Amino acid sequence: KAGVTQTPRYLIKTRGQQVTLSCSPISGHRSVSWYQQTPGQGLQFLFEYFSETQRNKGNFPGRFSGRQFSNSRSEMNVSTLELGDSALYLCASSFRQGSYEQYFGPGTRLTVT
Amino acid sequence: AQSVTQLDSHVSVSEGTPVLLRCNYSSSYSPSLFWYVQHPNKGLQLLLKYTSAATLVKGINGFEAEFKKSETSFHLTKPSAHMSDAAEYFCVVSGATFSGGYNKLIFGAGTRLAVHP
Repeated sequence: KAGVTQTPRYLIKTRGQQVTLSCSPISGHRSVSWYQQTPGQGLQFLFEYFSETQRNKGNFPGRFSGRQFSNSRSEMNVSTLELGDSALYLCASSFRQGSYEQYFGPGTRLTVT
Repeated sequence: AQSVTQLDSHVSVSEGTPVLLRCNYSSSYSPSLFWYVQHPNKGLQLLLKYTSAATLVKGINGFEAEFKKSETSFHLTKPSAHMSDAAEYFCVVSGATFSGGYNKLIFGAGTRLAVHP
């Protein structure tokens, strides 16, 4: 069974731009969660989507948003990029909502200049 | 509210010697606890999980962890380190909600394990 895939793997953007990251979960998984990983803040939960609805949200500003499609694929959008948004963005999928057994993708490395 | 504290940011061992990575947790409800490993430029891989069954949990690659409620600890151990074990390790808690579901995963700050020949 194919694992979680994330595209693109690397991205360079400038301040003020917006960016969209994509995540395809493991086949049959309906929940997708997003995490931000930075050296200073570590791994922080962004949000979780299940059945195309946001079910859980972390403490991030409204510039961070996401959505999930009917095939469970998810996208994450960050608008008005700031230097501090430079991070590794990880996507994880699980079979059920809020399931603790999450499978992670390799991440998208975003650099904001 | 749930939280997790990894007591060491860096651990260095020699190949063939035991590994101990320490983790303490805090949880209002019955917690589920996990250890994940992250190799350089890779995603996170689940090593093992505790979900209120046996308190000694065996994972992949020879790792195991023991849940000690009295000490609120969930330390990760391995009898003999291998060079390929060099990576960052994350202790993670996910607490059950009052309604019976599970919250999001909450990660510790990570412990970087170095293995020397």
